[in-house]
Amino acid sequence: AQSVTQPDIHITVSEGASLELRCNYSYGATPYLFWYVQSPGQGLQLLLKYFSGDTLVQGIKGFEAEFKRSQSSFNLRKPSVHWSDAAEYFCAVGASNTGKLIFGQGTTLQVKP
Amino acid sequence: NAGVTQTPKFQVLKTGQSMTLQCAQDMNHNSMYWYRQDPGMGLRLIYYSASEGTTDKGEVPNGYNVSRLNKREFSLRLESAAPSQTSVYFCASSEHGRVRTDTQYFGPGTRLTVL
Repeated sequence: AQSVTQPDIHITVSEGASLELRCNYSYGATPYLFWYVQSPGQGLQLLLKYFSGDTLVQGIKGFEAEFKRSQSSFNLRKPSVHWSDAAEYFCAVGASNTGKLIFGQGTTLQVKP
Repeated sequence: NAGVTQTPKFQVLKTGQSMTLQCAQDMNHNSMYWYRQDPGMGLRLIYYSASEGTTDKGEVPNGYNVSRLNKREFSLRLESAAPSQTSVYFCASSEHGRVRTDTQYFGPGTRLTVL
């Protein structure tokens, strides 16, 4: 069955520190992977996506993610976190040829001053 | 472009009442989606419409109906609201539909409480 797991429900980092949010997927074919961010009270915004090619993907707001097929992972990283990065982050996989997305449970990021 | 708009932003219902959540997009997208977001469960797909004139069930369709009124609008109806339908509802759209690489664009959400 297709699924996405985000092992960390809540993460707290200090402003200026590096960040890594974990995402593991289960998908039989080549996965098409997405990271979305949801600021408080807002809808979801696409940060980045991976379809093929270079396994290190750059996104908006200084985020990047690395696809590792051997580990079934697509972890999101940022070298230096800003207070405005506090939000909920969702990993998702594009399912079959329907255009549907399967989302992980989400990781809430808190940034300490 | 307004993108994806949803009305209302907030709603409180009593058990058994009905209501319709409205969604519209101005990006000329083919596909539209309705999700619900509950704590610890991420977003779960309720219904989607891959193209005008078609609708399909998602992961959690029970208790809901949808209408793809035209290419721009996709409404979600609760015929007899239940407390279990208390949630935040998001509408989304994507350009092509039936394509795994499509990016979905989300509305701001409707926060629904059923008492």
